[in-house]
Amino acid sequence: GEQVEQRPPHLSVREGDSAIIICTYTDSATAYFSWYKQEAGAGLQLLMSVLSNVDRKEEQGLTVLLNKKDKRLSLNLTAAHPGDSAVYFCAVSPGSWQLIFGSGTQLTVMP
Amino acid sequence: EAAVTQSPRNKVAVTGGKVTLSCNQTNNHNNMYWYRQDTGHGLRLIHYSYGAGSTEKGDIPDGYKASRPSQENFSLILELATPSQTSVYFCASGGQTSNERLFFGHGTKLSVL
Repeated sequence: GEQVEQRPPHLSVREGDSAIIICTYTDSATAYFSWYKQEAGAGLQLLMSVLSNVDRKEEQGLTVLLNKKDKRLSLNLTAAHPGDSAVYFCAVSPGSWQLIFGSGTQLTVMP
Repeated sequence: EAAVTQSPRNKVAVTGGKVTLSCNQTNNHNNMYWYRQDTGHGLRLIHYSYGAGSTEKGDIPDGYKASRPSQENFSLILELATPSQTSVYFCASGGQTSNERLFFGHGTKLSVL
């Protein structure tokens, strides 16, 4: 079945720098891709999602890139600020009922 | 905003005891899910349901049961809790397909001693 690898597990950047998180997946039929953010002590909240016919999507300082050839999904936080500190998860769906989550990236943005 | 409420927020149980984690959603979503979150594993699906009266096994169902008595409520049951089930458990609800956003509860931290 689908397997998702996410890296890095921990990422520390300075305020104003960009932060990039990458997920790779194995099933070429995967049709739906999303990024979730988990703040301390809280559940996950959807940041952005794209379908497989989209290569790039930008919203409010976030950029999602999808490279279907390499089966790679990335999240780029441009000009990160301390409020972006959280755990980020990618989640993909090969078309079944469920989402397959990556293992998470703990992002720390230092002032 | 859609709401998913889990109870309890924290639970300490003894090995061999029975634990019930409850989840309530006010979104009128058909699909509900139970995940556990462990360091290095992300979220792993335990059980899910696509409507009242239905429960389906996820990726790691062993040692867990689920119950969906109504559209709003979905419970996770550990009949004989073990220390390996110490984890943070999340309930989520969603629409008809996995291409729709999931709404998560705040999680239940379970410690089995």
